[in-house]
Amino acid sequence: GENVEQHPSTLSVQEGDSAVIKCTYSDSASNYFPWYKQELGKRPQLIIDIRSNVGEKKDQRIAVTLNKTAKHFSLHITETQPEDSAVYFCAAHYGQNFVFGPGTRLSVLP
Amino acid sequence: GAVVSQHPSWVICKSGTSVKIECRSLDFQATTMFWYRQFPKQSLMLMATSNEGSKATYEQGVEKDKFLINHASLTLSTLTVTSAHPEDSSFYICSAQQGAGTGELFFGEGSRLTVL
Repeated sequence: GENVEQHPSTLSVQEGDSAVIKCTYSDSASNYFPWYKQELGKRPQLIIDIRSNVGEKKDQRIAVTLNKTAKHFSLHITETQPEDSAVYFCAAHYGQNFVFGPGTRLSVLP
Repeated sequence: GAVVSQHPSWVICKSGTSVKIECRSLDFQATTMFWYRQFPKQSLMLMATSNEGSKATYEQGVEKDKFLINHASLTLSTLTVTSAHPEDSSFYICSAQQGAGTGELFFGEGSRLTVL
């Protein structure tokens, strides 16, 4: 089955700096990769996604890149703000299921 | 994005009782819904995949007789925790997939279960 790894597990950045979270997946059949942001006690919210026919996608301060050959994808957040502080999960769509990474706790320091 | 509603958001029950959690897709039909359990500061652990009109597919280690899942319509799936015990206390979250194949996945608000 699919296995998704995510690094780092925790990340602290100064406000205004960039943050990068990386995920790798194991099954080349996976073809859809969403990213979710989860604030404490709340539901995960889809923030950006990418499909396997695209190498990069950007939405304002958030971007995702995908390297199918290497089987890894990354989330990039620029000009970080305190409200970006949350846990971020990557996922890979495999078969009928979504396999989630273990999460990255991002702290943006003012 | 699409809206998935989960109810109740918080429930406290006595040990030995059963608790039902509902997951509804409000503005789309969801052939497939997923149920997760999330422990503090951990990732989402898939419990089962619920397909409308058929039996749920449970992940290894999840007791199907304890966690009953019903997906009777394209907009509603329910999770019943039977004979709940304190170790079942957790945050349960459902999600619904919009469309087939690689449709987007949207999450409910989550239900925090505390078993006394």
